[in-house]
Amino acid sequence: EAQVTQNPRYLITVTGKKLTVTCSQNMNHEYMSWYRQDPGLGLRQIYYSMNVEVTDKGDVPEGYKVSRKEKRNFPLILESPSPNQTSLYFCASKTGMNTEAFFGQGTRLTVV
Amino acid sequence: GQSLEQPSEVTAVEGAIVQINCTYQTSGFYGLSWYQQHDGGAPTFLSYNALDGLEETGRFSSFLSRSDSYGYLLLQELQMKDSASYFCAVRGNQAGTALIFGKGTTLSVSS
Repeated sequence: EAQVTQNPRYLITVTGKKLTVTCSQNMNHEYMSWYRQDPGLGLRQIYYSMNVEVTDKGDVPEGYKVSRKEKRNFPLILESPSPNQTSLYFCASKTGMNTEAFFGQGTRLTVV
Repeated sequence: GQSLEQPSEVTAVEGAIVQINCTYQTSGFYGLSWYQQHDGGAPTFLSYNALDGLEETGRFSSFLSRSDSYGYLLLQELQMKDSASYFCAVRGNQAGTALIFGKGTTLSVSS
């Protein structure tokens, strides 16, 4: 089954404790992206990657890092999480020029 | 700057027709998409318009007017399961790397 898999689905952590949210897709998509969703603000792009070893900032990259060492994986790293990073996070993938993006099930992160 | 405007909430009854509008202002435009999201779940793709006019997919249709920087999603024969959030999204560059979302419209369908 074609899918985008995020882990974990739920995470509660403390300020400053490094964490990684994993994202994996099995569709051989070149493009992957991370979004955060906050009430009233919609989906805002954090980082995206057009292919292996190619990443770029989205609209809200501060406080986040990403890497793309393999085509299928695109982890989101929070080196020192803060409470304002409490949010619902989505990973998405698509073929490079295509419009339809496939989203993971989301990771609900709470930073206390 | 870049912005997409859509109503925050829309209510309707089963069997009715509802239109969700989206106006956009972006530095680049290569098409308008619509996504559906149920209760904080994964957004799912509904439709895409690159050119002016109406695209129909079953009960859902999407329209685009590039000269007016405007589009809409039309949902017909509404069902309870259509209660969800609907996002318009602009493809902001030719490479397709910039997918800019509106803030979403929450549709509530009642019986």
